[in-house]
Amino acid sequence: QQKVQQSPESLIVPEGGMASLNCTSSDRNVDYFWWYRQHSGKSPKMLMSIFSNGEKEEGRFTVHLNKASLHTSLHIRDSQPSDSALYLCAASGSGYNKLTFGKGTVLLVSP
Amino acid sequence: GGIITQTPKFLIGQEGQKLTLKCQQNFNHDTMYWYRQDSGKGLRLIYYSITENDLQKGDLSEGYDASREKKSSFSLTVTSAQKNEMAVFLCASTRTGGSSYEQYFGPGTRLTVL
Repeated sequence: QQKVQQSPESLIVPEGGMASLNCTSSDRNVDYFWWYRQHSGKSPKMLMSIFSNGEKEEGRFTVHLNKASLHTSLHIRDSQPSDSALYLCAASGSGYNKLTFGKGTVLLVSP
Repeated sequence: GGIITQTPKFLIGQEGQKLTLKCQQNFNHDTMYWYRQDSGKGLRLIYYSITENDLQKGDLSEGYDASREKKSSFSLTVTSAQKNEMAVFLCASTRTGGSSYEQYFGPGTRLTVL
């Protein structure tokens, strides 16, 4: 059973549009959520992290967290073709030393 | 800043062969990880190590061995390569108390088994 579920599996948005990606953990011991971005043929790089309820914004990227439902979402506004990538959500708990990753969402931004 | 290097970049093996992948980091991080990624999908944890000579099994440890003889290096051995297996193996590292710190990834080793 996958402990971190991501949806949708794939997403196509037009250039300049808004992309919304979702992630939920079924492990009630998690405290931290991470979003990693992986371009084709490259290694994953951390995009944003969120540890507290609420919202965090960095440029075109906004992440939300609801700790009660263990749900996080990533929103990309004014999407660019360079945003096309695999987006991986991960969760970890305090005292753990490891992340559990979801299967990812493939985002394609069409010019 | 720092960097993680993985060798080799590409590894081609035969069915049943024992294959070793190596990872080095110069971040001075305590915790290191090995993940497997199939077909551009999510990452599955094979082994991790929170200090030299420590080894912890992940969800996918069966069929693999690992070794952490120095703080800066972490090796993974595929004990018996499976025919037609194709995957990318990613090494990562993070600071002590790793649950709240970012993991940094190496470029990966791409394995093909003939």
